[in-house]
Amino acid sequence: DQQVKQNSPSLSVQEGRISILNCDYTNSMFDYFLWYKKYPAEGPTFLISISSIKDKNEDGRFTVFLNKSAKHLSLHIVPSQPGDSAVYFCAASAYTGNQFYFGTGTSLTVIP
Amino acid sequence: EPEVTQTPSHQVTQMGQEVILRCVPISNHLYFYWYRQILGQKVEFLVSFYNNEISEKSEIFDDQFSVERPDGSNFTLKIRSTKLEDSAMYFCASTTDRVNEKLFFGSGTQLSVL
Repeated sequence: DQQVKQNSPSLSVQEGRISILNCDYTNSMFDYFLWYKKYPAEGPTFLISISSIKDKNEDGRFTVFLNKSAKHLSLHIVPSQPGDSAVYFCAASAYTGNQFYFGTGTSLTVIP
Repeated sequence: EPEVTQTPSHQVTQMGQEVILRCVPISNHLYFYWYRQILGQKVEFLVSFYNNEISEKSEIFDDQFSVERPDGSNFTLKIRSTKLEDSAMYFCASTTDRVNEKLFFGSGTQLSVL
């Protein structure tokens, strides 16, 4: 059962432009959402998170938007840089549980 | 910056053999996790561990799997009799507080079962 879905396996963006990565979830109990970045041969590293009490969280070039009614979140990277090229995972958790549910990831390529 | 350490980085084993994957979580963290990622697939939850016991486990985490925190610093995942389909990258993760707190991941152990 895929509770967190990232429907775009890959995305290519020109350097300097905006990258938008999308994530959908099905479980209405999820109340905490995270984005992780993963480079080859490394573990996922935390990028940004958002609680369900907010609809936006910003950290430098990274902004996460949460639309609870649509069960959708997105990660905006602006401006995109070549070093942002990585696989981005969306993850979600519920206060009542002990695990984080991950999507399948979106491979972002930022073209110089 | 403190980090989660995993050893070995690569493990090759024959089908049916036992393997132990080792992790040293960040020292003040209380919750520990094992995840795995089969090539091309999503990162899958295996098990969470808190207060010296399993707090949650997935369907994947059957009787062939076990976890242990033998000495207060190491956190191990044992697979008793490996199968071909156990081939994956295994990630250990830890966090200070389960509620609304991010996970810190290790760099993973690539397990190849031949």
